[in-house]
Amino acid sequence: EVQLVESGGGLVKPGGSLRLSCAASGFTVTGYTMNWVRQAPGKGLEWVSSISSGSSSKYFADSVRGRFTISRDNAKNSLYLQMNSLRADDTAVYYCSTRTPGMAFDIWGQGTMVTVSS
Amino acid sequence: DIQMTQSPSSLSASVEDRVTITCRASQGIGNYLAWYQQKPGKVPNLLIYAASTLQSGVPSRFSGSGSGTDFTLTISSLQPEDVATYYCQKYDTPPFTFGPGTKVDIK
Repeated sequence: EVQLVESGGGLVKPGGSLRLSCAASGFTVTGYTMNWVRQAPGKGLEWVSSISSGSSSKYFADSVRGRFTISRDNAKNSLYLQMNSLRADDTAVYYCSTRTPGMAFDIWGQGTMVTVSS
Repeated sequence: DIQMTQSPSSLSASVEDRVTITCRASQGIGNYLAWYQQKPGKVPNLLIYAASTLQSGVPSRFSGSGSGTDFTLTISSLQPEDVATYYCQKYDTPPFTFGPGTKVDIK
């Protein structure tokens, strides 16, 4: 079965750090652009970051640039999001997703909840 | 950055009604427009990409059209299982912005 499984979410204090992971199974992530999308409670979807298949290109939303970094390990079939200087408005469910060439965000994980609160 | 808007923000329709949702980009994006369905408490699901290409497994009552700045998602015959929030997204170049969503329910 093709799936993405996120982990690493939890409760963190403002200013703290968290590292999210996304493990793929049933397929290899090599060749796919990988993405993080978040959704604050009761709100819409917000694109966070994307990384090209070979990690040469990385993109970030203005709201997280300079605080978040994205990386991947194709050998481990995994995607990561390092989140530093966390703020209350980073509280959200974080989804990882793939982008098949020529398509949009086609495979999504079930999400991991990040809560930033003192 | 290009902004994405959707209208209406919510709608209520009867079963078997034809439903149309509009998405507008503040600048042209070619046909790099996707539609997602998110049912309550569930993960987003890709319905349509390239403005009008139906993702595998998506019922044929869903269709998309448009190019440039104006796009439309149509549900030809609304079914109870279509209750969801629908989002458009531009994916030409970063930022891959989503629209604010359109909540669809049954009257």
